Amino acid sequence: AQTVTQSQPEMSVQEAETVTLSCTYDTSESNYYLFWYKQPPSRQMILVIRQEAYKQQNATENRFSVNFQKAAKSFSLKISDSQLGDTAMYFCAFMKPAAGNKLTFGGGTRVLVKP
Amino acid sequence: GAVVSQHPSRVICKSGTSVKIECRSLDFQATTMFWYRQFPKQSLMLMATSNEGSKATYEQGVEKDKFLINHASLTLSTLTVTSAHPEDSSFYICSAIHPATSTYEQYFGPGTRLTVT
Repeated sequence: AQTVTQSQPEMSVQEAETVTLSCTYDTSESNYYLFWYKQPPSRQMILVIRQEAYKQQNATENRFSVNFQKAAKSFSLKISDSQLGDTAMYFCAFMKPAAGNKLTFGGGTRVLVKP
Repeated sequence: GAVVSQHPSRVICKSGTSVKIECRSLDFQATTMFWYRQFPKQSLMLMATSNEGSKATYEQGVEKDKFLINHASLTLSTLTVTSAHPEDSSFYICSAIHPATSTYEQYFGPGTRLTVT
């Protein structure tokens, strides 16, 4: 079974600064997808960014970017120019299409952006 | 964008009763939906995969007779918590995969907070 580990339970960052969240995973598969989801206080899960394992180029979505190191099985998320609205729980997730598209989530990292 | 709704958003029921939670894909048809459970300050735990027209697939440790899942149409999946007990109190979230996407993104409902008294 796949496991996803987020080693940072909580992180705080000053507004406009940068924060990096770590995520590692364990799999023997070569075809899989990785996601970062955001869960604000409303508890609505929102997709932040996705990465296909077969793509070497790191995904970027506006202020959010990832550092995907396939050999190291690492998938970190960088939030640049942090905004107050970025305050939320962030979950890293792994998905293997061959396993029914099920998501395996990490334990989450709580991010607090301070004014 | 793809929208998934859940109803009710919160429900309180007495111990021993059953409660049904609905998950709807509003602007797309979903052959597969997923049900998750989330305890306070914890991550999402997959309970089961709901497949339209067939039986749900439950994750190990999830009681299928307690958590009944029915995916009667391409836009609706229901989760019924039977003979609810206080330990069933939790936040339940559903999700669906939009069939037109090739990136396997799951779209999540807003969740249902269940409190069993």
